[in-house]
Amino acid sequence: NAGVMQNPRHLVRRRGQEARLRCSPMKGHSHVYWYRQLPEEGLKFMVYLQKENIIDESGMPKERFSAEFPKEGPSILRIQQVVRGDSAAYFCASSPFFQGFQGDTDTQYFGPGTRLTVL
Amino acid sequence: EDQVTQSPEALRLQEGESSSLNCSYTVSGLRGLFWYRQDPGKGPEFLFTLYSAGEEKEKERLKATLTKKESFLHITAPKPEDSATYLCAVTLSGGSYIPTFGRGTSLIVHP
Repeated sequence: NAGVMQNPRHLVRRRGQEARLRCSPMKGHSHVYWYRQLPEEGLKFMVYLQKENIIDESGMPKERFSAEFPKEGPSILRIQQVVRGDSAAYFCASSPFFQGFQGDTDTQYFGPGTRLTVL
Repeated sequence: EDQVTQSPEALRLQEGESSSLNCSYTVSGLRGLFWYRQDPGKGPEFLFTLYSAGEEKEKERLKATLTKKESFLHITAPKPEDSATYLCAVTLSGGSYIPTFGRGTSLIVHP
């Protein structure tokens, strides 16, 4: 049973370019979450998506960042016109069901991350 | 204001020297508390989920416990391969399902 997959694992962009990060959730999981992690800082929530729906984007910067989880294919986190401050590790996590029930459905499973470097 | 505080920030142990990591939370209405392990350059690996005060869970040399204000991750007779950063996260009852993470405890176990 494959875990959460993210690609690319490393991404280098120059200032002003676009970065696209992809996430395929675990089999059977329909909920995807994106986080950003900076050195010496904790994981910061960015956005929560279900298929074709953004459920919570309260942690996402208002400009340049967008996310989608189409009916077919992986979830994509898009960063337009990247700046050096966008350099970080971006993690995707997935869970099986809507977080309305206790039990294993609450647990998020993380991918290996994409390390974005902006030159 | 931090809702989740982990201590210590860093911990160095000798192999076989048992110890505990702490995760305290100030939220009201805890729904769940999660422990993860993160190795350098990798994503967090799920360890435990705790829901109720008094609950305990074990996995190999690790044991997680939960009270109304904090959780402990006990490491018994650690080995060098237990070296990692251990992350704690909480979710709130009443509909807030997005976990808030602490900054982690960096554990190094020397052989």
